[in-house]
Amino acid sequence: AQSVTQLGSHVSVSEGALVLLRCNYSSSVPPYLFWYVQYPNQGLQLLLKYTSAATLVKGINGFEAEFKKSETSFHLTKPSAHMSDAAEYFCAVSVRSGGYQKVTFGIGTKLQVIP
Amino acid sequence: GAGVSQSPRYKVAKRGQDVALRCDPISGHVSLFWYQQALGQGPEFLTYFQNEAQLDKSGLPSDRFFAERPEGSVSTLKIQRTQQEDSAVYLCASSPGTGRAGELFFGEGSRLTVL
Repeated sequence: AQSVTQLGSHVSVSEGALVLLRCNYSSSVPPYLFWYVQYPNQGLQLLLKYTSAATLVKGINGFEAEFKKSETSFHLTKPSAHMSDAAEYFCAVSVRSGGYQKVTFGIGTKLQVIP
Repeated sequence: GAGVSQSPRYKVAKRGQDVALRCDPISGHVSLFWYQQALGQGPEFLTYFQNEAQLDKSGLPSDRFFAERPEGSVSTLKIQRTQQEDSAVYLCASSPGTGRAGELFFGEGSRLTVL
């Protein structure tokens, strides 16, 4: 079975500072990995995804993530935080299981941006 | 609209009442997922439909939970004899295919509060 671990349920950064949200995965087969963002009272929306084409993946709003197989990690970064980045971020893994694509989410990391 | 639509957005139920939550996925999307998101947690898988077929219901917490998608489009999640532990946001997501790289498109969720 696949799983995702997000280290740090709350992360605070100053506006303009580097954002680093950590995600480690566990999967018995090569996974596809995703980051989703959730703003208050809204559904999740896709930020970026890794599908084995390239290990460094660029997403929307200046975010990127690097797939590191040796570390089983898929950390999310952004060079300079904006106030509008304050939201909750979920890492997810997608693996073929039981004849369909099963998507499992981490617990989430709430990002606070301090002015 | 073009997105996933869920109704009602908010539902307050007295313990023991039955509730029905509706999901209208993006037209033509084959895959439909239901997730449960408790306060401060990530989305937890409940069930998966491929067209009208319910391929996986392993995440349903008890036999009080029932989901259907009779014509392969709109889906309903029904909870019988609601309990306080059922209080959560119920998220519906759809995807155009069944491949691993498929992005999930989420609705805004139905927030259920059981008193």
